[in-house]
Amino acid sequence: NAGVTQTPKFRVLKTGQSMTLLCAQDMNHEYMYWYRQDPGMGLRLIHYSVGEGTTAKGEVPDGYNVSRLKKQNFLLGLESAAPSQTSVYFCASSEPNQPQHFGDGTRLSIL
Amino acid sequence: TQLLEQSPQFLSIQEGENLTVYCNSSSVFSSLQWYRQEPGEGPVLLVTVVTGGEVKKLKRLTFQFGDARKDSSLHITAAQPGDTGLYLCAGDTGNTGKLIFGQGTTLQVKP
Repeated sequence: NAGVTQTPKFRVLKTGQSMTLLCAQDMNHEYMYWYRQDPGMGLRLIHYSVGEGTTAKGEVPDGYNVSRLKKQNFLLGLESAAPSQTSVYFCASSEPNQPQHFGDGTRLSIL
Repeated sequence: TQLLEQSPQFLSIQEGENLTVYCNSSSVFSSLQWYRQEPGEGPVLLVTVVTGGEVKKLKRLTFQFGDARKDSSLHITAAQPGDTGLYLCAGDTGNTGKLIFGQGTTLQVKP
């Protein structure tokens, strides 16, 4: 039962470096989401996708880009990492009007 | 901007005590979801409430959706150490499944 798989699980970057976080789901879900979780702030939506080839901005999109070239994959990119982007990143997927299924997160530190 | 205020943010109680967590908003949600999150893992759905005034029970956990669908509560009866974790409420905006999360309640139940 893979569900939603996020890679990598941990990463340390230097300010200005770039990286891509990968999310893969094996449930054939239509919708996918990227969140960040910071202490005392719950989860905040960065970007989301309602289908292959489509993406949209969430609550906190600045500094991030996404792509959904395949239905099962949703990529989150940081072009020039900043210390403010130190966070735990969660990917989720769902069918329309159904609960979201979350991955186990990527812990990202920007030095 | 839709907000969901969750309280309290921290709760430390003895085994056997009762507790209530609240989520309040000025916005109406199409549904409200409660998640539980363990350290190092993603949130896991506990329950979804959809109808105003709805009450759902999950063993010792009782979830209620306000009549106006703007607020919700989670009541735990006779808390156990196994209930320890982070509890998150999330309101469904009804727009492509986007969720607004509360800040979370960290619950510690001492034996």
